[in-house]
Amino acid sequence: GDSVTQMEGPVTLSEEAFLTINCTYTATGYPSLFWYVQYPGEGLQLLLKATKADDKGSNKGFEATYRKETTSFHLEKGSVQVSDSAVYFCALSGSNAGNMLTFGGGTRLMVKP
Amino acid sequence: EADIYQTPRYLVIGTGKKITLECSQTMGHDKMYWYQQDPGMELHLIHYSYGVNSTEKGDLSSESTVSRIRTEHFPLTLESARPSHTSQYLCASSDDRGNTMNTEAFFGQGTRLTVV
Repeated sequence: GDSVTQMEGPVTLSEEAFLTINCTYTATGYPSLFWYVQYPGEGLQLLLKATKADDKGSNKGFEATYRKETTSFHLEKGSVQVSDSAVYFCALSGSNAGNMLTFGGGTRLMVKP
Repeated sequence: EADIYQTPRYLVIGTGKKITLECSQTMGHDKMYWYQQDPGMELHLIHYSYGVNSTEKGDLSSESTVSRIRTEHFPLTLESARPSHTSQYLCASSDDRGNTMNTEAFFGQGTRLTVV
């Protein structure tokens, strides 16, 4: 079946540091890929998405490129802020019956001033 | 901003009580979902629905039940709450029309349930 693997956290960075959160997936067919963010006490919000190979999703300074050859969708940001502290989830859809979202385990990011 | 609402946000209840967690969306989405989120953050799909009168069990077995009598409403019920049900419950919906390959899900703010 489909699966998503994320790097384990927590990831602790200083403000303005470079961020990478690794995400790899296993799926049949050609899934769409997503990054969701969950701020403390909130539900999940879509951060960015990519629907086909080599697509780059971007939003709020975050980027991720759909790499079919390495089955990866790593999240990057050039300069993190304290307000980026949250839990980040990688997910895929479109590969299984019913197009259900399959989530990774989540990665907690803590940014210190 | 997503138009999907969950109530209550927080609930503390005694063992053996019956509870219903409410979830409503105003986007006309056919698909709706319930996830259970454990303290380690991982999300587990416990129920989903393709539309009115459709309910399916998710990947994680749950003692809860759901109903879908109206498109916009997808309540979750626990007949007899236990401490092991203590968790965060997240409701979501998605639009199943058109191109489903890039369908995103919209999430409510969640209900944090504590059973004492």
